[in-house]
Amino acid sequence: NAGVTQTPKFQVLKTGQSMTLQCAQDMNHNSMYWYRQDPGMGLRLIYYSASEGTTDKGEVPNGYNVSRLNKREFSLRLESAAPSQTSVYFCASIPRGIVYNEQFFGPGTRLTVL
Amino acid sequence: KNEVEQSPQNLTAQEGEFITINCSYSVGISALHWLQQHPGGGIVSLFMLSSGKKKHGRLIATINIQEKHSSLHITASHPRDSAVYICAVLSSNTGKLIFGQGTTLQVKP
Repeated sequence: NAGVTQTPKFQVLKTGQSMTLQCAQDMNHNSMYWYRQDPGMGLRLIYYSASEGTTDKGEVPNGYNVSRLNKREFSLRLESAAPSQTSVYFCASIPRGIVYNEQFFGPGTRLTVL
Repeated sequence: KNEVEQSPQNLTAQEGEFITINCSYSVGISALHWLQQHPGGGIVSLFMLSSGKKKHGRLIATINIQEKHSSLHITASHPRDSAVYICAVLSSNTGKLIFGQGTTLQVKP
């Protein structure tokens, strides 16, 4: 049971490049989330998926797209990276929609956009 | 005003001291989390509370639903407790987690 895994752990992009951050969980959870963490701003929700096949915007969705490929996997895509997207990205997984016991975070992806 | 406020933002303590971190929130909640993040590290869930008090080792978390306030206490603090502690509430209205800004704790030997 690996919990929540994220790849890559580190990435450097040039402005305008695209990339996909991968997230997978093996806990059979329904809900999955993508957050970004910036100094002094705490964790902000980018997108979330309450269940397989559904996705919804969070607090800061602009510049991102997501895909809930199946119950296990939830990817975050930057189509044209910008320096403002330099951040640490965390994927999280929750057992049920709004009633749950624990939240699990992935190890994070540290992204730098030059 | 943020919906979840933590205090203090930064805290320095000597090893062995009793530490309290506070979290106040202004929304209706289903649950409240305390999370820990070590420098450069991932985020670990410490507690999930919907009422009362929980204890794990030297960590104690309490919540007062009426006052919309929670505290995280660390007894006999140790340098390895140095981390960012984050309070997050699950909004009963939207079903989303709302995070506090975090409290950076440094425990000196």
